[in-house]
Formats: sequence, C-alpha cells, structure tokens
Amino acid sequence: SQTIHQWPATLVQPVGSPLSLECTVEGTSNPNLYWYRQAAGRGLQLLFYSVGIGQISSEVPQNLSASRPQDRQFILSSKKLLLSDSGFYLCAWSFLDRVDTEAFFGQGTRLTVV
Amino acid sequence: AQSVTQPDIHITVSEGASLELRCNYSYGATPYLFWYVQSPGQGLQLLLKYFSGDTLVQGIKGFEAEFKRSQSSFNLRKPSVHWSDAAEYFCALKSSGDKLTFGTGTRLAVRP
Repeated sequence: SQTIHQWPATLVQPVGSPLSLECTVEGTSNPNLYWYRQAAGRGLQLLFYSVGIGQISSEVPQNLSASRPQDRQFILSSKKLLLSDSGFYLCAWSFLDRVDTEAFFGQGTRLTVV
Repeated sequence: AQSVTQPDIHITVSEGASLELRCNYSYGATPYLFWYVQSPGQGLQLLLKYFSGDTLVQGIKGFEAEFKRSQSSFNLRKPSVHWSDAAEYFCALKSSGDKLTFGTGTRLAVRP
C-alpha cells in the first residue's frame, strides 16, 4: 500500500532563516505531488504541484520554492522566511493521469515564524 | 481558471439534526469533485468523490453528496449529525491537468 511521510511535524523558525520541508511517498511510482498551505481561516491554498521529476508548477508568487529531486520526493524551501509564511503545510500525492482519483495527504507541518 | 466556493465559513447544528454544506465550482469541462474532512491539526481524509455516473454519491461516515451540473454545485449532506462530526470540511475540484483546487472550508460545530 502507499504511504506518505511529511516532516517535521512542527517547526519554529526565526524571521530570515531558511526553510526545508520534506515529503516522500512510498508504494507507488510517478505520483503527482502537491504542497498546500493552510493559514488560519483561509482554507487550503495550492502552492506547488508536480507531475514529474523537475516539473514544478507554481500557483502563487511568493517567498517559497519547491523541488522534486527524485520521483517520490518533494521539497518545499525558502531562503529567508517571513512572518507571513507561518501556517500549516500539507503535502499530498495522487496517481498520475488518473484524474478521477483522490489526493492522499500527509499529516502536515505546523510552521511558526517568530 | 477553476475555482471552488464554500459560502459558509462556520455552521453550527444540534446533534441529531440534518446537515447540508454548500459547494459551488467553476470549471469549463467535466469536473471531478471531492469532499474531505479535517480534524484539528491533522491531514485530510476523503469523504467521497464524484467523477461520473450517478449524481448522488455515498461516502464514509454516513455522508452523501449530490452533483448538480445546472447549478454548478456539489453539496454535502448527512441526515443526522453526531458530535464526532465536528471538524472542518473541504470541497475540491480536480482538472484534467491533475491540478487539485480546494475551497476555503466550512467549520462545523455540533451542539450537544
């Protein structure tokens, strides 16, 4: 069966520091991968999604970037965090080219920028 | 561009009462629609999905949703709410390019 791992679960970082959140999927190949941010009262905002290695679509211009160095690894990064980057970050995967299937979510990372 | 609207930010119902959460979408082709539930501090769990066929779909935990193309809606319903249903509910739409877009969510509170 497939599983998704996302870490760390919580993170407190000072303003201006770098960020790296990692997400890996096991038990499947060539998944679609997604990063979402959930800010208080603002729902789920799609940040990036990827349909393959090195293929990243950015949805919202911002202080963050994403990379997919391996088929089942998706990394969210920032060079310098802002206070506004605080939120709950969720990684998800879905089957490639199976638009009728759902996305499966990790447990999320609570990021607090201080 | 695709979008999902959940007009109700907060809803409170009494335990045992019926529930309907609204979802409207905007998309130029056949939509693939989902409802997810999120407990505090957790990831998202799929309740149900629609991609073709019968417009009334059944999900887990006694939930159902009805797809109405003429109204661009996919409302979630439950005949009798339990206290454990208190959570945040998200409607989502997936396009043919595998882009998955969520609404802003509806937070459900259940009165004893």
